[in-house]
Amino acid sequence: NAGVTQTPKFQVLKTGQSMTLQCAQDMNHEYMSWYRQDPGMGLRLIHYSVGAGITDQGEVPNGYNVSRSTTEDFPLRLLSAAPSQTSVYFCASRPRTGMRSPLHFGNGTRLTVT
Amino acid sequence: GQQLNQSPQSMFIQEGEDVSMNCTSSSIFNTWLWYKQDPGEGPVLLIALYKAGELTSNGRLTAQFGITRKDSFLNISASIPSDVGIYFCAGPNYGQNFVFGPGTRLSVLP
Repeated sequence: NAGVTQTPKFQVLKTGQSMTLQCAQDMNHEYMSWYRQDPGMGLRLIHYSVGAGITDQGEVPNGYNVSRSTTEDFPLRLLSAAPSQTSVYFCASRPRTGMRSPLHFGNGTRLTVT
Repeated sequence: GQQLNQSPQSMFIQEGEDVSMNCTSSSIFNTWLWYKQDPGEGPVLLIALYKAGELTSNGRLTAQFGITRKDSFLNISASIPSDVGIYFCAGPNYGQNFVFGPGTRLSVLP
């Protein structure tokens, strides 16, 4: 019963490098999302998807790309890493059946950009 | 977009004490959620509220949906060391999303 799995757990990048944060869920959830967590700012939505082939921007999308080719996977791509993207990134999923379904979170990826 | 405020930002309490925290919104909500984040992990749902005035308990935790629909409260009775963490409130936002508050960080002193 894996739930939401995020890899890697930790990552250090140099400014300008690119990388992909992986997220996979085995609960057949239609809705998936990416949040970043910064001290004192809570969780801010980066991108989300309500189903395979559908993605949309959240509150802080700049510098990030996503795709949703399967129901299970929702990778987050950093195109050219910047120090401002140093953060903890969480992937979350839930059934699409209305807002009464709670979000299930992964355990996060801690990213440092130097 | 929607914004949530949580109070207090952080609190240090003695083991066995009761805890109260709250969350306010500039807009009316029809759902309030309370999540807890343990150190090094992702948030986990504690309590969900769907009706103004609703009072819901989960063990030693009790949450209330404010009657103005712009606030919610979370109480923890007889705190224990494993209550340490960050407590987030959340409410519905556009596009089937949720907006989260900045969190209340709880520390429990033995």
